[in-house]
Amino acid sequence: GEDVEQSLFLSVREGDSSVINCTYTDSSSTYLYWYKQEPGAGLQLLTYIFSNMDMKQDQRLTVLLNKKDKHLSLRIADTQTGDSAIYFCAEIDSNSGYALNFGKGTSLLVTP
Amino acid sequence: NAGVTQTPKFRVLKTGQSMTLLCAQDMNHEYMYWYRQDPGMGLRLIHYSVGEGTTAKGEVPDGYNVSRLKKQNFLLGLESAAPSQTSVYFCASSYNQETQYFGPGTRLLVL
Repeated sequence: GEDVEQSLFLSVREGDSSVINCTYTDSSSTYLYWYKQEPGAGLQLLTYIFSNMDMKQDQRLTVLLNKKDKHLSLRIADTQTGDSAIYFCAEIDSNSGYALNFGKGTSLLVTP
Repeated sequence: NAGVTQTPKFRVLKTGQSMTLLCAQDMNHEYMYWYRQDPGMGLRLIHYSVGEGTTAKGEVPDGYNVSRLKKQNFLLGLESAAPSQTSVYFCASSYNQETQYFGPGTRLLVL
């Protein structure tokens, strides 16, 4: 499918906020997702947002959705070293039975 | 409730060998998926199934076959493994489009 775009790398200091950006392709995607993957591990669903919402907050996580620009962002407040991981943005591929179309992932490094 | 399980966790094959990866879910989900993950490539859909007895091709189906004879199982077969199939394979299942549950992955190395 078409590419979901993410920046490849982000480095922040512990305690700062992290913002990971994503541009998706399918305006009909009902939900948009953020997954977290730690080294050597599987995918953990962090949060998701329904397409008729602009924002969703879940503890330290804030998701912003701009449907006009097909832009999705994930903000992590008070970033900790345990947040170091790869973060994947994903949209629903409407041609493949609700399969997900993933970005290449943003590698977040949190330094002390 | 084990969720989504994958067998085996790790396998080394020689070029030309065959193998089957097993995905099992105990959540009575209709939809099941096989993805592969390569460095710097994110996850790409290999095949998927929208119900027992049905399968369909995803983005990168070449060199793989699948079967969904039972609702709870989704098998991914490699008839003649190639080094390009060295990857981490993830299975997932879902009841609807809201939430997709992933297995822990199978690491495959083809020499």
